Amino acid sequence: QVQLVESGGGVVQPGKSLRLSCAASGFTFSRYGMHWVRQAPGKGLEWVAVISDDGLNKYYDDSVNGRFTISRDNSKNTLFLQMDSLRAGDTAVYFCAKDPYGSGFYIDSWGQGTLVTVSS
Amino acid sequence: SVLTQPPSVSGAPGQRVTITCTGSSSSHGASPDVHWYQQLPGAPPKLLIYVNTNRPSGVPDRFSGSKSGTSASLTISDLRADDEADYYCQSHDSSLNMIFGGGTKLTVL
Repeated sequence: QVQLVESGGGVVQPGKSLRLSCAASGFTFSRYGMHWVRQAPGKGLEWVAVISDDGLNKYYDDSVNGRFTISRDNSKNTLFLQMDSLRAGDTAVYFCAKDPYGSGFYIDSWGQGTLVTVSS
Repeated sequence: SVLTQPPSVSGAPGQRVTITCTGSSSSHGASPDVHWYQQLPGAPPKLLIYVNTNRPSGVPDRFSGSKSGTSASLTISDLRADDEADYYCQSHDSSLNMIFGGGTKLTVL
């Protein structure tokens, strides 16, 4: 069955960087688009970014565009999110999620999430 | 581009409830598809309905989706206590980026 395990969350100061990873298993990783979705404490879901199956196409929400970079290593079945210039408003649980197609459409599997706290 | 959901709905066990998801014209454009997720307390979201009306394997037929124009609905029949959760609709904006509704908290009375 599909497994998505996020790691790399923690407490970081404003302006600093953090890199999240998501280890995927149970499916052919290189065939599917992958997303990052976040959820601030007590708030709703917010889509962050998507990367196509081949890694060539990447799209971002306006709130993170230019600060966050999504990438993937299909040889290691791993998805990444490089987060730079972090702000307090980026504090959230970050979910790694799988698309049922090669690029963004909807999400058919979710990881458990990793908490990122941006605070001085 | 916005998807609007009621903040909360409630119903007694055995009843039927409907959660609406209304899109602005720029978000639904040529009427893009709507998908629904259920998030139980303390858990990640789970796909409930995809492409407006389809249920993934394992989702009970008590859950159904519909769409008309720029509005979509999720209906839960024969309400159970363990249906108590947050429900989110999802579609795409005019830039084809994914967008979520604000979420609806379902309370089973």
